[in-house]
Amino acid sequence: GQNIDQPTEMTATEGAIVQINCTYQTSGFNGLFWYQQHAGEAPTFLSYNVLDGLEEKGRFSSFLSRSKGYSYLLLKELQMKDSASYLCAVMDSNYQLIWGAGTKLIIKP
Amino acid sequence: GAVVSQHPSWVICKSGTSVKIECRSLDFQATTMFWYRQFPKQSLMLMATSNEGSKATYEQGVEKDKFLINHASLTLSTLTVTSAHPEDSSFYICSARDVSRGDNQPQHFGDGTRLSIL
Repeated sequence: GQNIDQPTEMTATEGAIVQINCTYQTSGFNGLFWYQQHAGEAPTFLSYNVLDGLEEKGRFSSFLSRSKGYSYLLLKELQMKDSASYLCAVMDSNYQLIWGAGTKLIIKP
Repeated sequence: GAVVSQHPSWVICKSGTSVKIECRSLDFQATTMFWYRQFPKQSLMLMATSNEGSKATYEQGVEKDKFLINHASLTLSTLTVTSAHPEDSSFYICSARDVSRGDNQPQHFGDGTRLSIL
């Protein structure tokens, strides 16, 4: 079957760095997406990785290792507004998105 | 680019009412749109995939007669919750991809519709 695993909840301090991991097992692979979802709002697209390596976009970076079925989202210089759920999703061989359950990130002052 | 608009944002209505939710792709054509439901503090759950000009594909356990989907044009899909009951109260979100740029494009979401059935 298809499976995406990510931690349920993480806590970090304002100004610090946090890494949210995601492991996956899917039928084929056409890329991995990270989304941010604030409470009560719809998800917003953060990043896309299809090749191995690190993609940097401002304070956020996303890493992919296809051989390990592993990705992480790295958030630097954490701000209170980064408190949200972060969703990992993999596009399978049929271009269908398989969603993780999301990681709730709590930022403390 | 890739903006998706969803309307209405919030609906409160009596039990037994049917509610229609619209999802529009504003600056691209979407042959496929997706409808999700999310209960409080739970994961995003795909309900169905809406296909322009043909029948929607429903996920297991989703009643197609309860949740009617119509995708009559390349920029509009509608979800109608028929004879809604309190247990249908949830956050409904649509999304679409701009596949003119390739099949691996991200899904972009509408702002969601919060449905409350009294």
